[in-house]
Amino acid sequence: QLQLQESGPGLVKPSETLSLTCTVSGGSISSSSYYWGWIRQPPGKGLEWIGSIYYSGSTYYNPSLKSRVTISVDTSKNQFSLKLSSVTAADTAVYYCARPAWLGDYYYMDVWGKGTTVTVSS
Amino acid sequence: DIQMTQSPSSLSASVGDRVTITCRASQSISSYLNWYQQKPGKAPKLLIYAASSLQSGVPSRFSGSGSGTDFTLTISSLQPEDFATYYCQQSYSTPVFTFGPGTKVDIK
Repeated sequence: QLQLQESGPGLVKPSETLSLTCTVSGGSISSSSYYWGWIRQPPGKGLEWIGSIYYSGSTYYNPSLKSRVTISVDTSKNQFSLKLSSVTAADTAVYYCARPAWLGDYYYMDVWGKGTTVTVSS
Repeated sequence: DIQMTQSPSSLSASVGDRVTITCRASQSISSYLNWYQQKPGKAPKLLIYAASSLQSGVPSRFSGSGSGTDFTLTISSLQPEDFATYYCQQSYSTPVFTFGPGTKVDIK
């Protein structure tokens, strides 16, 4: 059974870069034609899609975050990562990784990590 | 960019009630619409994909309908474990996804 687990620092200083990793277990990150994604949720607010990466490395970002986001994949470690630069308090959130599965042309996020809380504060 | 709206933003209901949540897209997204349930402190859980297909393991009291720009999630008989926040998500522009703002369902 596929499982995702986020990891990374829980506290990041303003203006620094937030770095998170999602480790995939129970399956290979490169064995199928899947996208892998990051979503975040500020305290008390809704879900915001951050970006997706194809298993081959192609990336797609939320336009509102595009200038600050980098998502990468490391197939040797079965991981994909998120970097968000120049963070502010507004980037404080629970960060989730997720796998959009597909059926025909229909994509849906059926596997999620448990989420990791990142606080931006000095 | 495709924008998603939901109504209402919150509702109060009793166990056994029929509950309907609406999601609207800013442009036609055919049936590329998913619904998720999120409970406090937990990751979202997929309920419905492709507007009306029930995810495996999800109770049949949940159903989805709609196409184009207007979609509905219905809970036919609200159960205590259904009190949660519900989000719609468009996948028309995959791999670019957009979530709706959410609808919180709480106890009357």
